[in-house]
Amino acid sequence: KNQVEQSPQSLIILEGKNCTLQCNYTVSPFSNLRWYKQDTGRGPVSLTIMTFSENTKSNGRYTATLDADTKQSSLHITASQLSDSASYICVVSAFNSGYALNFGKGTSLLVTP
Amino acid sequence: DADVTQTPRNRITKTGKRIMLECSQTKGHDRMYWYRQDPGLGLRLIYYSFDVKDINKGEISDGYSVSRQAQAKFSLSLESAIPNQTALYFCATSEKAVGPEQFFGPGTRLTVL
Repeated sequence: KNQVEQSPQSLIILEGKNCTLQCNYTVSPFSNLRWYKQDTGRGPVSLTIMTFSENTKSNGRYTATLDADTKQSSLHITASQLSDSASYICVVSAFNSGYALNFGKGTSLLVTP
Repeated sequence: DADVTQTPRNRITKTGKRIMLECSQTKGHDRMYWYRQDPGLGLRLIYYSFDVKDINKGEISDGYSVSRQAQAKFSLSLESAIPNQTALYFCATSEKAVGPEQFFGPGTRLTVL
């Protein structure tokens, strides 16, 4: 069964600090992995997408890494801001299912002043 | 204007009532989806549609029905609402691709008393 596990479930950090969120998956055959950011009361928005051949992808202060061999991904947030407070969802898709996305449960991040 | 809109944004109803949630998109995408989100469970797929004539059940379709009135419109109905259908509902759209980015609406918060 295709699964996506995220850790930690929740995280509290001080403004300006860095943090790293983890995603482990068992989805096969792997197509791509996206990190979505979901602000409270809003729909998720894609931050990055990574395919099998990509090891790292950046979007501003967000940097995603992928190790396709160990089936692990991380999202690193640098110099956190209050606006980074949100849920971060790891989503993995498989080649044999064009529509279906496998969603993690998300990591809830709170950045405090 | 938002590319994916949902109405209503909030709804409180009573057990046994029929409820319709509506979704409209201006992105020109063929594929549309309905998800529900519950605390601690992440996003789960209810129904999806690849075009006006193609509608498919997702992993949790029991108690729900859908209608694809046009390429741009996809409605979700709860024929007889029950309290455990209280959740946040999201509509999403995507292009035809493997593992496509899905663009989410702002969500509808539904409470069934």
